[in-house]
Amino acid sequence: DAMVIQNPRYQVTQFGKPVTLSCSQTLNHNVMYWYQQKSSQAPKLLFHYYDKDFNNEADTPDNFQSRRPNTSFCFLDIRSPGLGDAAMYLCATSREIQLAKNIQYFGAGTRLSVL
Amino acid sequence: GEDVEQSLFLSVREGDSSVINCTYTDSSSTYLYWYKQEPGAGLQLLTYIFSNMDMKQDQRLTVLLNKKDKHLSLRIADTQTGDSAIYFCAESTEGGSYIPTFGRGTSLIVHP
Repeated sequence: DAMVIQNPRYQVTQFGKPVTLSCSQTLNHNVMYWYQQKSSQAPKLLFHYYDKDFNNEADTPDNFQSRRPNTSFCFLDIRSPGLGDAAMYLCATSREIQLAKNIQYFGAGTRLSVL
Repeated sequence: GEDVEQSLFLSVREGDSSVINCTYTDSSSTYLYWYKQEPGAGLQLLTYIFSNMDMKQDQRLTVLLNKKDKHLSLRIADTQTGDSAIYFCAESTEGGSYIPTFGRGTSLIVHP
């Protein structure tokens, strides 16, 4: 059974039209992450939540926002998608962030296309 | 340069062993991980090694860690077509949070 679920699997949006990607987890993990993955590049961490605490990476554009209304759900909002935002977006969870062994569980990803 | 480096491609014949290499720069690494990503899917943890170990074996997988050279490898014995995927090396380090840093991934192609 999938433990980290991302919806939708594929999302097409228009240039400048806001879009929201969703992620849910059944693991009851404290930490949820959003990564952007482009072809032949390392997954790039955008931000993470430790419980309700939001942590933005320094180089994450303001165009990207996130919400975590409860433990199970986390959303990625792209306010004005540009062509350069077309990518695979991965959601991940982990139990704790202060453990040296930090195993992450990933969803299948949402592939975003921007027309 | 990047914190975690991997070569982009590896091609092997079915039944042969595959060796995927990774180098990292941070000497305060605590755990090192190998994740596998199949087409259209997310990353899935394959195995991990604690930094005070130099080898870990798990069925067909052998992880070797050379701390002095900051070099990590993943050996897959008897490689099958189902092993075709992208393999990501990642490290977590001391200080602050332990969020892993990923490499760019090595695309393993297994041909008959």
